[in-house]
Amino acid sequence: GQQLNQSPQSMFIQEGEDVSMNCTSSSIFNTWLWYKQDPGEGPVLLIALYKAGELTSNGRLTAQFGITRKDSFLNISASIPSDVGIYFCAGQYNFNKFYFGSGTKLNVKP
Amino acid sequence: SAVISQKPSRDICQRGTSLTIQCQVDSQVTMMFWYRQQPGQSLTLIATANQGSEATYESGFVIDKFPISRPNLTFSTLTVSNMSPEDSSIYLCSVATTGEQYFGPGTRLTVT
Repeated sequence: GQQLNQSPQSMFIQEGEDVSMNCTSSSIFNTWLWYKQDPGEGPVLLIALYKAGELTSNGRLTAQFGITRKDSFLNISASIPSDVGIYFCAGQYNFNKFYFGSGTKLNVKP
Repeated sequence: SAVISQKPSRDICQRGTSLTIQCQVDSQVTMMFWYRQQPGQSLTLIATANQGSEATYESGFVIDKFPISRPNLTFSTLTVSNMSPEDSSIYLCSVATTGEQYFGPGTRLTVT
């Protein structure tokens, strides 16, 4: 199956700092998705990207679909304690196949 | 988007027994998926369940162990059969619509 490499695996940052995480793939995708998962909950969709080069924001979150269609990044600006959680990237190249990264665990110190 | 509910939210079961997890969606969807998530791990796809056809299982998962029903476009069940402690995990239902995938809250299963 497809391999998605997500980095970093974990981050410890101070409240107010910006955060950046990324995913790379050996194959191209048609869609990139970014999710956040809180403890004891299912993943929640944050941002969906559909075109190479697309840059999309959702509040303090910004994500981009890489030009090569093999990568994507997610930035969080001015982090706050409620940003704590695990962030997953996912890539899709046909309608019924989604591949997930291994997750980035974000810790924010107040 | 889609709103998904799952029952039960959590359960503790004895080894050798079976548990059926229900997934209800607030709109009609063609594609539903069942995932397993081990503690601290990413999501592993168990099977894809389309209404009116047999579920398609991923490598390492078999119908005898994880039978799935999909009686209509808003509902599905996953049964974890003959459970062992290795089946302790979070089981997630999800749906795909227009290129996006949405997840239920998950069922946390502990097998003793």
